[in-house]
Amino acid sequence: DGGITQSPKYLFRKEGQNVTLSCEQNLNHDAMYWYRQDPGQGLRLIYYSQIVNDFQKGDIAEGYSVSREKKESFPLTVTSAQKNPTAFYLCASTEGNYGYTFGSGTRLTVV
Amino acid sequence: QKEVEQNSGPLSVPEGAIASLNCTYSDRGSQSFFWYRQYSGKSPELIMFIYSNGDKEDGRFTAQLNKASQYVSLLIRDSQPSDSATYLCAVNPPGSARQLTFGSGTQLTVLP
Repeated sequence: DGGITQSPKYLFRKEGQNVTLSCEQNLNHDAMYWYRQDPGQGLRLIYYSQIVNDFQKGDIAEGYSVSREKKESFPLTVTSAQKNPTAFYLCASTEGNYGYTFGSGTRLTVV
Repeated sequence: QKEVEQNSGPLSVPEGAIASLNCTYSDRGSQSFFWYRQYSGKSPELIMFIYSNGDKEDGRFTAQLNKASQYVSLLIRDSQPSDSATYLCAVNPPGSARQLTFGSGTQLTVLP
């Protein structure tokens, strides 16, 4: 079945540590996105990529980095520069103008 | 001013009633509009999209779009307890390719 796989489902980060969230899709979609959702809030765009080897900052890119070396993969690294990383992270992809397909999300907690 | 605004709720309706969820947007040239349902702790799932003024029906769901007034709404007929979730409105602003801007969501509770 086609879809988007995010891993891990839960992730714990220590102070000063970088962590990487995985996002893989087998939908053959060109565009991929990373959003952050805080409790009771909407989705805020971190980074997006329209094609391989190209990506752009979203509204809240500070403290995050991404890569797009393959069409299927769009990993997100939360760096130590992100001072408040505890949130629910959602990866999405799309083709055409039919809305996003979302992965199941990664819940990141600072310990 | 937020680009996409929704009443945060919570909105409570009795089982079997019609639930009405509203969304306004600021970019007049926006062309595509989406409604997502998000259960607690889960990721959003697409339930409706609408591009043209008027109504679009899919089962118990009806999306209504009025571009002149810059609002889009979602009606849920014969509401069921399983419809209890947060509903996110998303808009594709002009010049943003396929990128969506989301509202903060309306929490709906359907009471048995």
